[in-house]
Amino acid sequence: AQKITQTQPGMFVQEKEAVTLDCTYDTSDPSYGLFWYKQPSSGEMIFLIYQGSYDQQNATEGRYSLNFQKARKSANLVISASQLGDSAMYFCAMREPQGAQKLVFGQGTRLTINP
Amino acid sequence: GAGVSQSPSNKVTEKGKDVELRCDPISGHTALYWYRQSLGQGLEFLIYFQGNSAPDKSGLPSDRFSAERTGGSVSTLTIQRTQQEDSAVYLCASRGIQGQETDTQYFGPGTRLTVL
Repeated sequence: AQKITQTQPGMFVQEKEAVTLDCTYDTSDPSYGLFWYKQPSSGEMIFLIYQGSYDQQNATEGRYSLNFQKARKSANLVISASQLGDSAMYFCAMREPQGAQKLVFGQGTRLTINP
Repeated sequence: GAGVSQSPSNKVTEKGKDVELRCDPISGHTALYWYRQSLGQGLEFLIYFQGNSAPDKSGLPSDRFSAERTGGSVSTLTIQRTQQEDSAVYLCASRGIQGQETDTQYFGPGTRLTVL
């Protein structure tokens, strides 16, 4: 079974600094997908970035990049030049490769950006 | 709007009453998911619909929970005889069938259910 671990319950960062949110995963399947979602206080889950297990390069989307280290089974999210609006819960998730392809989520990291 | 919509946004009910939660997926998305987010359990998968196939109900916590999807679009999650432990945010997501959309689930704003 897939498992996602986020070891940082909370993080505090100064505005404009870069921040790395940790995510490790466990799976025996060679094919999988990894996702990061942002959940602001409004509650909506906002898709940020996706990394496929066979992708050769780390995914990037604007200020977001994914530091994918397959051998270590880690998929850390890097946010560059943090902004006050980045304050939110961040969830790492893995997609099941078969069947429903449901997402298995980590416990989340609450990121607070200080001015 | 082009996103997933859910209604109501908030629902307060009394223990023992039935509730219905609605989800409108992104137009054209054939896959639809329900998840539950609660303080003690995090985010949990509930049920999955794909086209006309039989739904995957493996995540439903009890037989008080059921869901249907009419016409391959709108879905309704029904909770009968609600209990206080049903209090949570219920999130709906949909997924497309082409390109990266085959991989990515897009979520609605959720319905916050409070059972008194």
